[in-house]
Amino acid sequence: QVQLVQPGPEVKKPGASVKVSCKASGYTFNNYGVSWVRQAPGQGLEWMGWINAYNGNTIYAQKFQGRLTTTTDTSMLTVYMELRNLRSDDTAVYYCARGGPVVIPSYAMDVWGQGTTVTVSS
Amino acid sequence: QSALTQPRSVSGSPGQSVTISCTGTSSDVGGYNYVSWYQQYPGKAPKLMIYDVTKRPSGVPDRFSGSKSGNTASLTISGLQSEDEADYYCCSYAGSYAWVFGGGTKLTVL
Repeated sequence: QVQLVQPGPEVKKPGASVKVSCKASGYTFNNYGVSWVRQAPGQGLEWMGWINAYNGNTIYAQKFQGRLTTTTDTSMLTVYMELRNLRSDDTAVYYCARGGPVVIPSYAMDVWGQGTTVTVSS
Repeated sequence: QSALTQPRSVSGSPGQSVTISCTGTSSDVGGYNYVSWYQQYPGKAPKLMIYDVTKRPSGVPDRFSGSKSGNTASLTISGLQSEDEADYYCCSYAGSYAWVFGGGTKLTVL
């Protein structure tokens, strides 16, 4: 079945970086984009950025520009999200979600990973 | 990009209907017919319930419906059931491959 699989929790110190993977299966990887969405404890969903899995083009929310990088490894059917210079308020669950107009004209996030909890603490 | 505005909470009794609003601007909700709605249970990943303003993915009950007027989109849940109690988020395409979410609405089934 169509799914996105993310790794288990991460604990990082302030100032460090975290790289979260998102492995796709069950669909043609290059036909869709992938968004990264985070949710701080007790808070709502926040869109962070998007990558076109076909050509690797990226768009980042202004808030994360300069600290966020998303990449793909098409041979591994995996998308990566790296957030640098972590702060305590980056503590959140980070989700990857399939969607975005690539080969398929999709503008909703129809498949979600299970989320990766990233805790930033000294 | 500012978050879309949703009521913090709504409630209804079993069998009733509730509507959750989602207000944006002409740059997002009003500018595109690409509003989607997500249901989220505590500790779980969001689930797509409505896309392209009014469309339901396969498997989503027809009790869930979406609409839009101007810069405001709405999610209506009719025939409320206890399992509908969850958080609901709207999301709109904002152009240039960017999206924006609403702040979320907690639905309580009384």
